[in-house]
Amino acid sequence: EPEVTQTPSHQVTQMGQEVILRCVPISNHLYFYWYRQILGQKVEFLVSFYNNEISEKSEIFDDQFSVERPDGSNFTLKIRSTKLEDSAMYFCASSPDTEAFFGQGTRLTVV
Amino acid sequence: AQSVTQLGSHVSVSEGALVLLRCNYSSSVPPYLFWYVQYPNQGLQLLLKYTSAATLVKGINGFEAEFKKSETSFHLTKPSAHMRDAAEYFCAVTNNNAGNMLTFGGGTRLMVKP
Repeated sequence: EPEVTQTPSHQVTQMGQEVILRCVPISNHLYFYWYRQILGQKVEFLVSFYNNEISEKSEIFDDQFSVERPDGSNFTLKIRSTKLEDSAMYFCASSPDTEAFFGQGTRLTVV
Repeated sequence: AQSVTQLGSHVSVSEGALVLLRCNYSSSVPPYLFWYVQYPNQGLQLLLKYTSAATLVKGINGFEAEFKKSETSFHLTKPSAHMRDAAEYFCAVTNNNAGNMLTFGGGTRLMVKP
């Protein structure tokens, strides 16, 4: 069964460093998303992407964040200069319409 | 704007007992509703979804949920809990526009006692 794949599963980075989280969405899906879950808190929407551009973003998704679909398969989230409060589980999701399929997540720890 | 409230951040049941996890939503447009399950150190797995067809929705692992518009609720139930059901459960709402974001509730951690 097709699935959303995220790499790495864990990432530890120093404050101020740039990180890139990678995702391979399900191949025939059109919509792509990033969500995050700070430990013990709810899952929060970051950004959605369709037709090679951002379709919607939350207040969390500030200038430190960017997304890219560099080729036909990958979908990346870049955090330019990480802060301690960026520590969270980051989920990629893809969707053919209204139902989102989630990856296993990347646990980002900023130290 | 849409929002989801899950009453009870922790629910504990005995194995074999009824599971009831509560979800109430707020939406200015007809909602699509989802329940996701998250096992420890894993991602979000779809349990079931309501997309304006039948109001009683059956999902995987014996779970079901009923959409009640008058109560703005979408509670998740399972007649008999199993130890493997111990996990975090998230209710989420969106609308019928393809590609729209999901808004999640705070989650309910289900514990199952032997």
